[in-house]
Amino acid sequence: AQTVTQSQPEMSVQEAETVTLSCTYDTSESDYYLFWYKQPPSRQMILVIRQEAYKQQNATENRFSVNFQKAAKSFSLKISDSQLGDAAMYFCAFISNFGNEKLTFGTGTRLTIIP
Amino acid sequence: GAVVSQHPSRVICKSGTSVKIECRSLDFQATTMFWYRQFPKQSLMLMATSNEGSKATYEQGVEKDKFLINHASLTLSTLTVTSAHPEDSSFYICSSQRWGSGDQPQHFGDGTRLSIL
Repeated sequence: AQTVTQSQPEMSVQEAETVTLSCTYDTSESDYYLFWYKQPPSRQMILVIRQEAYKQQNATENRFSVNFQKAAKSFSLKISDSQLGDAAMYFCAFISNFGNEKLTFGTGTRLTIIP
Repeated sequence: GAVVSQHPSRVICKSGTSVKIECRSLDFQATTMFWYRQFPKQSLMLMATSNEGSKATYEQGVEKDKFLINHASLTLSTLTVTSAHPEDSSFYICSSQRWGSGDQPQHFGDGTRLSIL
């Protein structure tokens, strides 16, 4: 079974600064996908960024980028130029490319943006 | 626009009432839908996998007779909380995914906040 660990329950960052959220996972599979989801106070689940395990290049979406270290099973999210609207719970998630394709979520990191 | 529509967004009802939550896939036919439960300040907990035309697969510890799931069409799955009690109060979220498309992220509904008095 896969597990996803987010070791930072809470993080805070000054507006316009950069913050990195950590995520590690454990799996015996080689073909899978990793995601970061954002859940603001409205509780919508919003996809922030996606990484395919077979791609060595780190995914980037505007101010959001990841540092994917497959050998270390690490998948951190970097938010540059933090904005007030970035305040939310962030969940790291894993899905296998085989089997029943269930998403496995981490416990989440609550990000606070300091004006 | 929304890919998954979940309704209702908020339900307040008396103990003993059965509550039905609908999850509609708007943009594609979803052979598989998922139902999650989320307690305050916690992560999403998968309750069950809903498969079109067959019985749902429940996660360990989830009572199938309490949480009835029906996925009668490729665009609609329903979760019915039967004889709800205060401990069933929670935030319930559905998602839909095309079969065999692990690279496509699950599309989530906006959730249903259920409060049992």
